[in-house]
Amino acid sequence: GNSVTQMEGPVTLSEEAFLTINCTYTATGYPSLFWYVQYPGEGLQLLLKATKADDKGSNKGFEATYRKETTSFHLEKGSVQVSDSAVYFCALSPNTGTASKLTFGTGTRLQVTL
Amino acid sequence: DSGVTQTPKHLITATGQRVTLRCSPRSGDLSVYWYQQSLDQGLQFLIQYYNGEERAKGNILERFSAQQFPDLHSELNLSSLELGDSALYFCASSVAMSGRAGTDTQYFGPGTRLTVL
Repeated sequence: GNSVTQMEGPVTLSEEAFLTINCTYTATGYPSLFWYVQYPGEGLQLLLKATKADDKGSNKGFEATYRKETTSFHLEKGSVQVSDSAVYFCALSPNTGTASKLTFGTGTRLQVTL
Repeated sequence: DSGVTQTPKHLITATGQRVTLRCSPRSGDLSVYWYQQSLDQGLQFLIQYYNGEERAKGNILERFSAQQFPDLHSELNLSSLELGDSALYFCASSVAMSGRAGTDTQYFGPGTRLTVL
């Protein structure tokens, strides 16, 4: 079956540090890949996505590139802010018809300090 | 604000009881998804409905059922509740009109926090 593996957290960084959160996946076919973010007490928000190999998703300074050869979709940001503190989830969805479901990783908590 | 609404925000009930969670999707979205978030299981897909019909099923217990109504809102029914059912239940919606629904963004509601005592 499909699965997503994320690096264990929590990740603690100082403001303006470089962020990388690793994500690898196992899936049949060519899934779409997503990063969602969950702020304390809130639901999940889409951060970025990529729907085919070599696509780069980007939003709010965050980037991730769909690497089919390494089955990875690592999240990066050049300079984090305190407001980026949240839990980040990597997820995949098979690209089939009208049936869809997201398979999530375990989430990585990011804490950014001044 | 994602445009997906869920009620109630919090629910506290006793073991053995039955509850109904309600979700209204974003305007124009035909698909509704239900997910459970718990500390031990993480985020798990439960079920998807598309335009009133069940389209995909995940690890949903037999004690749980869902439906999507003609106005596209959805309800998740949880019965014979156990302590382990305590979790955050999210509803999400997407357009899902394309032939590749997996590429669609799912928009999540704020969740219903269920506590079973």
